[in-house]
Amino acid sequence: EVQLVESGGGLVQPGGSLRLSCAASGFTFTNYAIHWVRQAPGKGLEYISSISGSGLTTYYADSVKGRFSISRDNSRNTVTLQMGILKSDDMAFYYCAVRALGSSAFEFWGPGALVTVSS
Amino acid sequence: SYVLTQPPSVSVAPGQTARITCGGNNIGSYTVHWYQQRPGQAPVLVVYDDTDRPSGIPERFSGSNSGIAATLTVSRVEAGDEADYYCQVWDTSSDHPVFGGGTKLTVL
Repeated sequence: EVQLVESGGGLVQPGGSLRLSCAASGFTFTNYAIHWVRQAPGKGLEYISSISGSGLTTYYADSVKGRFSISRDNSRNTVTLQMGILKSDDMAFYYCAVRALGSSAFEFWGPGALVTVSS
Repeated sequence: SYVLTQPPSVSVAPGQTARITCGGNNIGSYTVHWYQQRPGQAPVLVVYDDTDRPSGIPERFSGSNSGIAATLTVSRVEAGDEADYYCQVWDTSSDHPVFGGGTKLTVL
């Protein structure tokens, strides 16, 4: 059974940093890119970052570029999203997700981690 | 970048059919996916590749893509179908996914 579990969410002050993790199980981790999608309170889904199975290719949306960094540890089946210079606009639920094999649909999602940015 | 447009809300009585549209420029050339998101939960894929259903998704959920718009159809709507629904495509020009703004389905 495929499982994705985010951790590391919490309260952080504006300008601060936070590190989110996505722990994966139930599939061959190195074969899949891991994606991060966030959702601000009462808002829609926003795609923000991804990392290829090898870790060599990354993507960042303009809204987080230069402030967020994504990495993966294939020995531990874990992806980390390091978030810095956090702003109130970054307050959201953060989900990690995996695409279905042979499709561009996100078949598996974690339950999400809440990041609150407030002084 | 590519933009997907959904109606903010759709209302339907129990047992009736709900249709949620997703519009975009030349959407027929894209493969459309649909997600259901109940309050406080992560999104769940209900239709992928325009018309296919993941295992465990009821046959009441179906999708189509006419080229003018993609449509998620929920037949024989139940109270438990009340949720937000999002369409999504992969924008090949930017090589990343794009989500529609979401539609709140209300069961009257």
